[in-house]
Amino acid sequence: KAGVTQTPRYLIKTRGQQVTLSCSPISGHRSVSWYQQTPGQGLQFLFEYFSETQRNKGNFPGRFSGRQFSNSRSEMNVSTLELGDSALYLCASSLASGVYGYTFGSGTRLTVV
Amino acid sequence: GIQVEQSPPDLILQEGANSTLRCNFSDSVNNLQWFHQNPWGQLINLFYIPSGTKQNGRLSATTVATERYSLLYISSSQTTDSGVYFCAAPPSNFGNEKLTFGTGTRLTIIP
Repeated sequence: KAGVTQTPRYLIKTRGQQVTLSCSPISGHRSVSWYQQTPGQGLQFLFEYFSETQRNKGNFPGRFSGRQFSNSRSEMNVSTLELGDSALYLCASSLASGVYGYTFGSGTRLTVV
Repeated sequence: GIQVEQSPPDLILQEGANSTLRCNFSDSVNNLQWFHQNPWGQLINLFYIPSGTKQNGRLSATTVATERYSLLYISSSQTTDSGVYFCAAPPSNFGNEKLTFGTGTRLTIIP
């Protein structure tokens, strides 16, 4: 079956702009989580959605938001981009909040200039 | 929250060598996963291993939950094994909704 699909793969934005990233989970998976990876901070949890509800949120400012649709696809939005938002954003899906583990997508590499 | 530590941070080996990567965690866990991050950034599942031992080809993993550590073994290394290996676990009092990652072991296999 198809894996986790993230779009776009690469993105370049200017400071102050906003960006929306998309994640389609594995068919049948209802949980989608988002992680940010930077060289300085490593992999950090952003938030997790299950059945269209945000169940957990990491320690990120309110500029980072997300949502999940009825088909389990998820979007993540970052408003008022800062240079420090440059990172690899990874999406993970699971059957139900980590049951049997998580499968990650290829990521979206965001560069803010 | 849970702390996840990995060792060694870097490992350089000749092709064909064997290696052992270690993951220590500070609290009891409901599950633990090992991932390989390839040069393009994708995190590839290696093992979902809350306890016990699993094997998949040249790779195997063992988690001793009572002693709060997990080991990843790579035998007969190939250049394609190069990359960063992460272990990750959710805190036991948090359910499984998030993973805390270790800082990774960067493995370089020299031909």
